Amino acid sequence: KQEVTQIPAALSVPEGENLVLNCSFTDSAIYNLQWFRQDPGKGLTSLLLIQSSQREQTSGRLNASLDKSSGRSTLYIAASQPGDSATYLCAVRPEAGGYNKLIFGAGTRLAVHP
Amino acid sequence: DAGITQSPRHKVTETGTPVTLRCHQTENHRYMYWYRQDPGHGLRLIHYSYGVKDTDKGEVSDGYSVSRSKTEDFLLTLESATSSQTSVYFCAISGQGGTEAFFGQGTRLTVV
Repeated sequence: KQEVTQIPAALSVPEGENLVLNCSFTDSAIYNLQWFRQDPGKGLTSLLLIQSSQREQTSGRLNASLDKSSGRSTLYIAASQPGDSATYLCAVRPEAGGYNKLIFGAGTRLAVHP
Repeated sequence: DAGITQSPRHKVTETGTPVTLRCHQTENHRYMYWYRQDPGHGLRLIHYSYGVKDTDKGEVSDGYSVSRSKTEDFLLTLESATSSQTSVYFCAISGQGGTEAFFGQGTRLTVV
């Protein structure tokens, strides 16, 4: 059974720091991995999608990497800002089953203080 | 933003009553999902659909049923609401071949 773990569960950093959020998964047989952001009381916003054949994806100050064989992904946020404060979730889409399901980690709650 | 609309956004209902939540999409995506999000449990899949009239169970499907009579609409029904079904419910969509998934804004359901 695929399990997704995110470390750390919470993180508090001063504005301007570069930071790394970690996501690990137990079964390397995945189609892709997706990172989301969730603000309190809101829905999930898609940040980056990495296909299993890719090593990384970039969008602005965000860079996500994928090491499928070791079951790990990282989300790198450069020059963090208070507006980056949110919960970050990673989700994998397993190859097994073929129904396009997403399995989520519990998330990392990020606070960036001025 | 992806065209996903959930209704209602908030609902309070009494134990034992049936409740239906609606998800409407304008993206013509094949796959639609219902998740629930609870503190300490994260996001868990309730049911999903891979086409009109094609649905299947997720990991927490007991007490829930779904229907999809049109590509754009996916309904989640709580047959007889219980307090354990108090949660935030999210609808999601994705296209063929493992494309990016998009989520609605959620429905906060309280069962009293």
